[in-house]
Amino acid sequence: DVKVTQSSRYLVKRTGEKVFLECVQDMDHENMFWYRQDPGLGLRLIYFSYDVKMKEKGDIPEGYSVSREKKERFSLILESASTNQTSMYLCASSLLDRGGGYTFGSGTRLTVV
Amino acid sequence: DQQVKQNSPSLSVQEGRISILNCDYTNSMFDYFLWYKKYPAEGPTFLISISSIKDKNEDGRFTVFLNKSAKHLSLHIVPSQPGDSAVYFCAALVSGSARQLTFGSGTQLTVLP
Repeated sequence: DVKVTQSSRYLVKRTGEKVFLECVQDMDHENMFWYRQDPGLGLRLIYFSYDVKMKEKGDIPEGYSVSREKKERFSLILESASTNQTSMYLCASSLLDRGGGYTFGSGTRLTVV
Repeated sequence: DQQVKQNSPSLSVQEGRISILNCDYTNSMFDYFLWYKKYPAEGPTFLISISSIKDKNEDGRFTVFLNKSAKHLSLHIVPSQPGDSAVYFCAALVSGSARQLTFGSGTQLTVLP
């Protein structure tokens, strides 16, 4: 069964901490994405990558960075966590030439206190 | 500026009746549309899609209708079942782009037994 795996389901971090969210996919997909989901706002794109070492800003990149050193792994980094980054974070992957067809991970619920 | 809008945050329907979820978009470049379903504590899962060259696509109990002139699409679920209770996200894509989906804010569907 193909999968997108996010390393943590729940995380609690303190304000100012550096936070790493990891995502791994086993489908050999070119595209990988990080979204955050907030009530009333839906899913908003933070960053995406369509190849190893390539990254593009999404709609809300401020306060975040990403790393893609290997095709199967896409990491989201909160350089200095703040309370407004408390959210559900969702990783997804897709094939480059497929219209849509994302596969999502189960999400990481991050709380910054 | 939200390019994909789901104006109803919630919808309640009796079991066995039809559920109609609506979605509007503003970007005329969108040419592929998808619906995702999300249960609590899980990532969204792909439900059904439609290309802009069609006006209807059907898959079992799920049918998506596209009205390009009105920039409107809808998802019909017939008959509705309690297991359909979830958040439904509408999403849109510009083919040939880097394949990033733009999502609506979601509609919470509750099917009452």
